[in-house]
Amino acid sequence: AQKITQTQPGMFVQEKEAVTLDCTYDTSDQSYGLFWYKQPSSGEMIFLIYQGSYDEQNATEGRYSLNFQKARKSANLVISASQLGDSAMYFCAMREGYFGTDKLIFGTGTRLQVFP
Amino acid sequence: NAGVTQTPKFQVLKTGQSMTLQCAQDMNHEYMSWYRQDPGMGLRLIHYSVGAGITDQGEVPNGYNVSRSTTEDFPLRLLSAAPSQTSVYFCASSDRGEDTEAFFGQGTRLTVV
Repeated sequence: AQKITQTQPGMFVQEKEAVTLDCTYDTSDQSYGLFWYKQPSSGEMIFLIYQGSYDEQNATEGRYSLNFQKARKSANLVISASQLGDSAMYFCAMREGYFGTDKLIFGTGTRLQVFP
Repeated sequence: NAGVTQTPKFQVLKTGQSMTLQCAQDMNHEYMSWYRQDPGMGLRLIHYSVGAGITDQGEVPNGYNVSRSTTEDFPLRLLSAAPSQTSVYFCASSDRGEDTEAFFGQGTRLTVV
């Protein structure tokens, strides 16, 4: 069965430093998509970045990058130059199959706190 | 741009009551789904739909019904509310495609007493 594991319940990082949030996944599918979402204290889910299983290059979106290691089944989120506004819950998620069905499997999340 | 709109934002129910959580999207997305978020457990899929008239169960469907008569709307019905259904509920939609993200509504915080 597909599964997402986030082993870091909480992380602290100083402002302007980089931080890596870990995510490992388990699937027998050859085609899948990996997502990271941010959930601030206000509660909404904000899409950050996507990586497809066939993408050879790591995805990047501004200060966010995804360190995709397919053989190790890991999809870590790297946030560079952390800002106070990055304090939030971060969820890693996997989509079953390659095309959208909205069937996302989520990890339990990592709470990131950025301090001055 | 409205995106995905959920109503209500907050709701308190008594055990045994029924209600419908509304979800509407204006992006003409084919795919819609409902998730619940409980502390320490991330989001779990309740039901999903790949188009009007087509629905299927997710990981935690018991106690919930859905239907999709139009592309835009995907209501979630609680048949007989139980305290175990106290949660935050999210509706999401996405377009067909390999790298399409799911757009989420603002969530509905439901408390069953």
